[in-house]
Amino acid sequence: KNEVEQSPQNLTAQEGEFITINCSYSVGISALHWLQQHPGGGIVSLFMLSSGKKKHGRLIATINIQEKHSSLHITASHPRDSAVYICAVRGSNYQLIWGAGTKLIIKP
Amino acid sequence: ETGVTQSPTHLIKTRGQQVTLRCSSQSGHNTVSWYQQALGQGPQFIFQYYREEENGRGNFPPRFSGLQFPNYSSELNVNALELDDSALYLCASSRDGNYGYTFGSGTRLTVV
Repeated sequence: KNEVEQSPQNLTAQEGEFITINCSYSVGISALHWLQQHPGGGIVSLFMLSSGKKKHGRLIATINIQEKHSSLHITASHPRDSAVYICAVRGSNYQLIWGAGTKLIIKP
Repeated sequence: ETGVTQSPTHLIKTRGQQVTLRCSSQSGHNTVSWYQQALGQGPQFIFQYYREEENGRGNFPPRFSGLQFPNYSSELNVNALELDDSALYLCASSRDGNYGYTFGSGTRLTVV
């Protein structure tokens, strides 16, 4: 079993829909990151969370430390949101442990 | 503030050769970590440098080595290249290994 599990693996939605991507982890962490990777490889850090909830524009990230679960929400989704969204946790040895990613496609 | 710059962006090498990839960290960041991302896979942690010392390493053989310089820029060296080393190599910088990470755009290495 992977230490960081994301769901769904693939998600296709219509423009305007509310999107939720889930992340569960099994290790102790000091922080959880949500990252966005576009085709071609560039990675953008969206959020770093250690508790509670953060909001940036149409993006909202929440984390429940007790349940070892985090969600990334996108409101009023747009085709430019199409990307791979990755959950990564900062474990021991300073490394980031990455989920497999969720490929999101938003159709106009 | 400047972001993370990686060079080169693309590289083709022959099996058995050696390669050096470079990463300049974001201003104010003293920690650099390197990741290998094979096609269709998630990134795998290679190692991390903090103030010129390696302070974390993933499951990669010794032919993967690195350096961090006094200005906190970093190099990743791979010796005796194998076909499976073909991947996107990502560099990320942070302050003290905490707070947010800033990622470079990566170096796409192809070994033929």
